Amino acid sequence: GNSVTQMEGPVTLSEEAFLTINCTYTATGYPSLFWYVQYPGEGLQLLLKATKADDKGSNKGFEATYRKETTSFHLEKGSVQVSDSAVYFCALIAGGTSYGKLTFGQGTILTVHP
Amino acid sequence: DVKVTQSSRYLVKRTGEKVFLECVQDMDHENMFWYRQDPGLGLRLIYFSYDVKMKEKGDIPEGYSVSREKKERFSLILESASTNQTSMYLCASSYTGALGNQPQHFGDGTRLSIL
Repeated sequence: GNSVTQMEGPVTLSEEAFLTINCTYTATGYPSLFWYVQYPGEGLQLLLKATKADDKGSNKGFEATYRKETTSFHLEKGSVQVSDSAVYFCALIAGGTSYGKLTFGQGTILTVHP
Repeated sequence: DVKVTQSSRYLVKRTGEKVFLECVQDMDHENMFWYRQDPGLGLRLIYFSYDVKMKEKGDIPEGYSVSREKKERFSLILESASTNQTSMYLCASSYTGALGNQPQHFGDGTRLSIL
């Protein structure tokens, strides 16, 4: 079946530190990959996406590259801010999936201190 | 911008009540989804719908039903609420697209407490 594995959290960083949140996947066909972010008390927001191998998704200083050879989609940011504190979810839509059903990772809690 | 609106941010109900959670989207999306989110369990799909009056069970449909009478509205129904249904409920919608890989857009969630 399809699955997404994220690094265990929580992750605690100081402001301006470098962030990496690891994400690996197992999927049928050629999946599309997504990162969602959930700020406290809110729903999920799409952060970035990539739909084919070697695509790089980017938004708000965050980046992730679709690596087919390692089945990975790691999230990175060069300099985090306190406002980046949130829960981050890696997710996929498997190739040939009907109706765009998402498979989510468990989520990684990020806390950034001043 | 896509707008997915859930009718309540917070809701408190009593055991045994019939509870309705409403979700409306304004982008003419074909697909709509209901999830629940619990600490340590991530997001779990309850039901989804790919067209008016069409529905499919997700991973945890027991104790829930859904209704989609109009394209923009998707309702989640707790037939007889129980305390183990206390949770955060999230609605989402998406456009199917040519490859079926369009991202889902989420509402702000309803935090439901069953007493």
